[in-house]
Amino acid sequence: ETGVTQTPRHLVMGMTNKKSLKCEQHLGHNAMYWYKQSAKKPLELMFVYNFKEQTENNSVPSRFSPECPNSSHLFLHLHTLQPEDSALYLCASSQGYREAANYEQYFGPGTRLTVT
Amino acid sequence: GDSVTQMEGPVTLSEEAFLTINCTYTATGYPSLFWYVQYPGEGLQLLLKATKADDKGSNKGFEATYRKETTSFHLEKGSVQVSDSAVYFCALFSNDYKLSFGAGTTVTVRA
Repeated sequence: ETGVTQTPRHLVMGMTNKKSLKCEQHLGHNAMYWYKQSAKKPLELMFVYNFKEQTENNSVPSRFSPECPNSSHLFLHLHTLQPEDSALYLCASSQGYREAANYEQYFGPGTRLTVT
Repeated sequence: GDSVTQMEGPVTLSEEAFLTINCTYTATGYPSLFWYVQYPGEGLQLLLKATKADDKGSNKGFEATYRKETTSFHLEKGSVQVSDSAVYFCALFSNDYKLSFGAGTTVTVRA
């Protein structure tokens, strides 16, 4: 595997379910990100981890819970979601965080989440 | 806060046509500016970037120039191909270390 991978690619869940999204980067990067992409809206930054430490929580509801066990893996745990949470969830990584102007963010293909 | 505004799509063109996607920004200071592209079923990829005023980013025949006087970073390509069909995102890296994206412009190129 190369680059940034995400699993599953598609997920349908009920509002009472608990599920997790997984992201893995094979680039040796130190920073990882979760974004939400909704139709006709700008990408919304959700969380940032730098060297496994959370550096940014962009006012995300607590029904989304991130976990970063090491610099290569990032999870997004989901519970009691709402239909408006249906979106494409993108993971990204970069070599640096505060230096990100000079470091490209590499994105995974995303997980298409549908909440019923 | 810092933000970008890009032209709404969708944009439909014929092959070999000229493409322009407008992007303007609002920011304190001098942010780095980017264009990302998202092909169907894939994540975003960096297309080009510029880190200071008057810089020109270029890649795959696409160009964009960082214009401080007009706070713009318009994307252009002189002759598009069907393979350029994608969603294009303008973005800036702000002083609070966040990459802020525009809403995206869907481009469809017809043979």
